[in-house]
Amino acid sequence: EAQVTQNPRYLITVTGKKLTVTCSQNMNHEYMSWYRQDPGLGLRQIYYSMNVEVTDKGDVPEGYKVSRKEKRNFPLILESPSPNQTSLYFCASSLVQDTQYFGPGTRLTVL
Amino acid sequence: RKEVEQDPGPFNVPEGATVAFNCTYSNSASQSFFWYRQDCRKEPKLLMSVYSSGNEDGRFTAQLNRASQYISLLIRDSKLSDSATYLCVVINNDMRFGAGTRLTVKP
Repeated sequence: EAQVTQNPRYLITVTGKKLTVTCSQNMNHEYMSWYRQDPGLGLRQIYYSMNVEVTDKGDVPEGYKVSRKEKRNFPLILESPSPNQTSLYFCASSLVQDTQYFGPGTRLTVL
Repeated sequence: RKEVEQDPGPFNVPEGATVAFNCTYSNSASQSFFWYRQDCRKEPKLLMSVYSSGNEDGRFTAQLNRASQYISLLIRDSKLSDSATYLCVVINNDMRFGAGTRLTVKP
């Protein structure tokens, strides 16, 4: 089944404790991206990647890192999480930058 | 001004009603347009693309007005299962999402 998976789905952590949210897709898509979704603000792009070893900042990259060592994986890293990074995070992939397939979301709470 | 703006709603309509949402965008160079649907606590899913000539998919009709820089989504004969948040998406060099319009269809 074609899909985008994210792990973990839910995470409660404390300020400053490094965490990684994994994202994997099995559709051989070139384009992958990370978004955060907050009430009233909609989806905002954090980082995106057009291909392996190519990543670019989106609208809200501060406090996040990504890597794209393999085509299928695009992990999101929070080196030192802060409470303002409490949000719902979505990973997405697509063949080109149009129809995106989203993962199920990761709800992160930073205390 | 936000690059993509939507009326947040909520729109509360009875079953069978016709409802329309608009979405305005600020970048006149925008190239592609889409409507996504997002159910509560779920991921967004593509509903339909929006073409310059307008397009229809069953009860759903999407239109683009480049001169006025807006796209619209019309839902006819609304069903309970249409209750969701509808996100408009505009692509220029990157993808911009609207904050969404919430629709509740009631019996």
